[in-house]
Amino acid sequence: RKEVEQDPGPFNVPEGATVAFNCTYSNSASQSFFWYRQDCRKEPKLLMSVYSSGNEDGRFTAQLNRASQYISLLIRDSKLSDSATYLCVVTSSGNTPLVFGKGTRLSVIA
Amino acid sequence: DTEVTQTPKHLVMGMTNKKSLKCEQHMGHRAMYWYKQKAKKPPELMFVYSYEKLSINESVPSRFSPECPNSSLLNLHLHALQPEDSALYLCASSQVVGESPRSGYTFGSGTRLTVV
Repeated sequence: RKEVEQDPGPFNVPEGATVAFNCTYSNSASQSFFWYRQDCRKEPKLLMSVYSSGNEDGRFTAQLNRASQYISLLIRDSKLSDSATYLCVVTSSGNTPLVFGKGTRLSVIA
Repeated sequence: DTEVTQTPKHLVMGMTNKKSLKCEQHMGHRAMYWYKQKAKKPPELMFVYSYEKLSINESVPSRFSPECPNSSLLNLHLHALQPEDSALYLCASSQVVGESPRSGYTFGSGTRLTVV
């Protein structure tokens, strides 16, 4: 089983739609969780950290379910500029670097 | 200054060439990383430096040789590469490896390497 698994995508949605991405992780010792966004031929950029209590940043909401080892990202009122690949990223405590999921491609269509 | 700067942005090299990729950060981060990313794939970890010492080598072939001259600089020396090594090479930094849950990595914009 892969350490971090994401919806395969691609997701093609109209502007204004709500879209949700899911991610599961296999290491129960994982402690830090992130969503990164990567545009075509660009570097990954941190979109948001994911906290146990859930967190919201404008149109973006991230949720963590430790019991199910599941992370989600909800994007409301999608914009054309949201088109990108969204990477689920996990790390354990101690000296363990980030582990990336394969990413989910989102295309928002006018 | 909250950037990680990588040079060059693009590099074309022959299989017998020797070249170096450079990465610099001035955020006081003590962990630095090299990742390799092929098209439509996630970044793959190559090396981790923690407090200027190599802490992780993900079984990378010896034709890739990392160097960390000081806490702000990270180099990747390349020699006798193969065409399949063509990829986007990303440098990243963080406060320390796997620390605070609120910190992620800051990535540089990468070096797009083509081996001919």
